[in-house]
Amino acid sequence: AQKITQTQPGMFVQEKEAVTLDCTYDTSDPSYGLFWYKQPSSGEMIFLIYQGSYDQQNATEGRYSLNFQKARKSANLVISASQLGDSAMYFCAMRTQGGSEKLVFGKGTKLTVNP
Amino acid sequence: EAGVAQSPRYKIIEKRQSVAFWCNPISGHATLYWYQQILGQGPKLLIQFQNNGVVDDSQLPKDRFSAERLKGVDSTLKIQPAKLEDSAVYLCASSAYYEQYFGPGTRLTVT
Repeated sequence: AQKITQTQPGMFVQEKEAVTLDCTYDTSDPSYGLFWYKQPSSGEMIFLIYQGSYDQQNATEGRYSLNFQKARKSANLVISASQLGDSAMYFCAMRTQGGSEKLVFGKGTKLTVNP
Repeated sequence: EAGVAQSPRYKIIEKRQSVAFWCNPISGHATLYWYQQILGQGPKLLIQFQNNGVVDDSQLPKDRFSAERLKGVDSTLKIQPAKLEDSAVYLCASSAYYEQYFGPGTRLTVT
């Protein structure tokens, strides 16, 4: 069974600093994808970044980068130069190739950016 | 490009009543998902449609929840009768490839 673990219920960071949100995953499928979503207090889930299990390089999207360590089964999200608008819940999710290809989500990390 | 639309945004009902949610996916997206997000948790897949066929409904409480996607476009999710533990945000998402796009969700409160 697929499982996502996010061990940080809450994180605090000063504006303009970088922050790392942890995510570990468990799957026996050789092919899978890892996602990070942002959920502001308004409730919508906003896609941030994607990493495929066969991708050789770590994914980057603007201020977001994914630190993918396949042997350790970790997919940490790094946000550089934090902004006040980054305050939100962040969810790590995994999608496997077999079956329904559904997303399995972790419990999330609440990030607070302080001025 | 219009995003995933959902209605209503908020709904308050009493237990044992019924409720229905509506979702309109992004145009051209064949796959549609309904997720349940209980407060303090990540979303959990309830049902996945590929066009108008069900791909996965293994976590749908079929004794009270039902969903349909007529003509492979819009979808409705129904709860009948509702229980207190159904209080949650119900998220609809659609996808064409690997990325899922989410709607704003419907926040259901069962009293």
